[in-house]
Amino acid sequence: QVQLVQSGAEVRKPGSSVKVSCKAAGIAFSTSALNWVRQAPGQGLEWLGGIIPIFGTPTYAQKFQGRVTITAAESTSTVYMDLTSLTSEDTAIYYCASGGRFFDSWGQGALVTVSS
Amino acid sequence: SYVLTQPPSVSVAPGQTAEITCGGTNVGTKSVHWYQQKPGQAPMVVVHDDSDRPSGIPERFSGTNSGNTATLTITRVEAGDEADYYCQLWNTSSDPLFGGGTKLTVL
Repeated sequence: QVQLVQSGAEVRKPGSSVKVSCKAAGIAFSTSALNWVRQAPGQGLEWLGGIIPIFGTPTYAQKFQGRVTITAAESTSTVYMDLTSLTSEDTAIYYCASGGRFFDSWGQGALVTVSS
Repeated sequence: SYVLTQPPSVSVAPGQTAEITCGGTNVGTKSVHWYQQKPGQAPMVVVHDDSDRPSGIPERFSGTNSGNTATLTITRVEAGDEADYYCQLWNTSSDPLFGGGTKLTVL
């Protein structure tokens, strides 16, 4: 049974950055596609990027290129998403999700609030 | 850029059939996946690769995909099916893409 457990809610000021973690269990971490998807309040789903740890090189949505960094620590089966230069429009729930064609397992989500 | 278009809302009475569409140019040539999201919860895949159901998803949920429209069909709708539904595809040459979502209301 796949479990993706994310870090907790964060509050940040505009212009700052946030790092969210996602610890995986029940999957072959190194060869699994691990992704980050966000959902602004009352809005739809948006993919930020993903990584397959054994390959190491992440892929990012064009919209977030230069602002997002996804990394993976195989020793702890944890994937991280770092988002910089935050604005109020980055206020959202950030989900990690596994899968390389569709997202078959999801974390519980982490609310990131950007407010002055 | 490619766009997936869903109706904002669909309403259906209990026991009836709900159809939620996902439109896109030649979407029938691509694999479409469907997610259910209940309030306060993470999305959950209910149909993948156009018409395959993950284990644990009732047979009442089915999918088709042809031409310019993919459809998620829910038969014998129950109150517990009330949720937001999203379609999604992932071309090998592009980023994963979601439709805008459809709110299913059970009357």
